[in-house]
Parts: sequence; structure tokens; C-alpha cells
Amino acid sequence: RKEVEQDPGPFNVPEGATVAFNCTYSNSASQSFFWYRQDCRKEPKLLMSVYSSGNEDGRFTAQLNRASQYISLLIRDSKLSDSATYLCVVNFMNTGFQKLVFGTGTRLLVSP
Amino acid sequence: DTAVSQTPKYLVTQMGNDKSIKCEQNLGHDTMYWYKQDSKKFLKIMFSYNNKELIINETVPNRFSPKSPDKAHLNLHINSLELGDSAVYFCASSQDFLRGPGTSGPFSYEQYFGPGTRLTVT
Repeated sequence: RKEVEQDPGPFNVPEGATVAFNCTYSNSASQSFFWYRQDCRKEPKLLMSVYSSGNEDGRFTAQLNRASQYISLLIRDSKLSDSATYLCVVNFMNTGFQKLVFGTGTRLLVSP
Repeated sequence: DTAVSQTPKYLVTQMGNDKSIKCEQNLGHDTMYWYKQDSKKFLKIMFSYNNKELIINETVPNRFSPKSPDKAHLNLHINSLELGDSAVYFCASSQDFLRGPGTSGPFSYEQYFGPGTRLTVT
């Protein structure tokens, strides 16, 4: 099983639509979870952290389900500018230190 | 002001050559990283340094040698380049690094990425 697994997409949605991405992770001991956004040929940037109680930032809502080891990202009222790849990121133990493991990303295309 | 900068942005070279990529951060962070993103967009950590000390060394060929002259700089030197080394290499930094269980401190630090260096080996 991959450490962090995502549906690569692409998800094609019209402007204004609501879209949801899921991500599963293999390490039940993981404690930190994030969604990063990566635009084409650009660097990844933190979109939001994911907290146990779930959290919302404007049109974006992140949820964590520890029992099932999955994380979700919901985008409401999609904008053209939301078109990007969304990377699910989880921390894993590595010889006494933790490292971030990135999923391969889910591509979102929002059309007019 | 660019927070994390890398040079060069593009690098095209032939197999067998040796090349270096430089990274600098002006955020005052203690920890820096090198990541490789391959053609399938898979982003994987290679190395991490904290205050000039190597703390993460993933399974990377020893042709890759990182060097941190000070905590604001982390360079990557690659010897005897191979076709499979073609990828985008991202440098990143964070305030501190994630420690193991049983230690104090937060569980997460945001990582700030540089713009990437697109390496093409022909």
C-alpha cells in the first residue's frame, strides 16, 4: 500500500460547483496532515492544515478520519483560479525524526 | 523579496557531467530540505538539514551530495549525471524540523518551497 494515496483525476468541474477530494494514508501513527496546492510548473504551497475536529477556511473545508485513515478536502463555489493540483501531505516517522510524505496529487480543472 | 530561491531555474546537461544546484532562504529558518519531483509528479524528500547538520538522508544514490555552509544555504551537488536524474528539484525550508515521538514541540512546521530547478539530462 502506498504511504499516501490520492485519485490523480483530473476532476473537471464547472465554475460554482462543489468538489471533494479524498486521500488515504498507511501509517496509523501519523499526527500531522496538510493540503498543499501546486500550480502547473510552480512550487507547492500550503493550502491548509487538517485538524482532528475538521477545519474551514473560506470555501475550503478539510476533514480527518483517523479510524479510516483518510483526509478530505471540499471546495465550494469553485473558481477558475482553483484549477491546480492538490497534494495530500502526511507526516511519517523516519529514524527518530518525522518527514512529510506527499501524495501524487489530484488535478482539478475548473471551466467557465 | 524571494523567501526561498534556487539557481539555476533550468539546467540541461549531458550524461556523466557533474552539476550543482544552489538554494538560499531569507526566512531565518533552521531547517532546509531537498525534494525531487519526477515526471509522474511524485514529490519525494531526499535530504534535510537542521542548522547545518544532516538529519534526514533518504535512499538516494551517493552521487548526490548536499552541503550546507550555513543554515541559510543548502546546495546539492550531483556527480556523474544519469538520464534518470531528470526531474524538478525543489528546495524548501521550515522554522524547525519534526521530531520523533516522546519529544516536545509541535507536530508540524509549514514548509516553504523554492521555485524549483528543472534538470534535464540528455
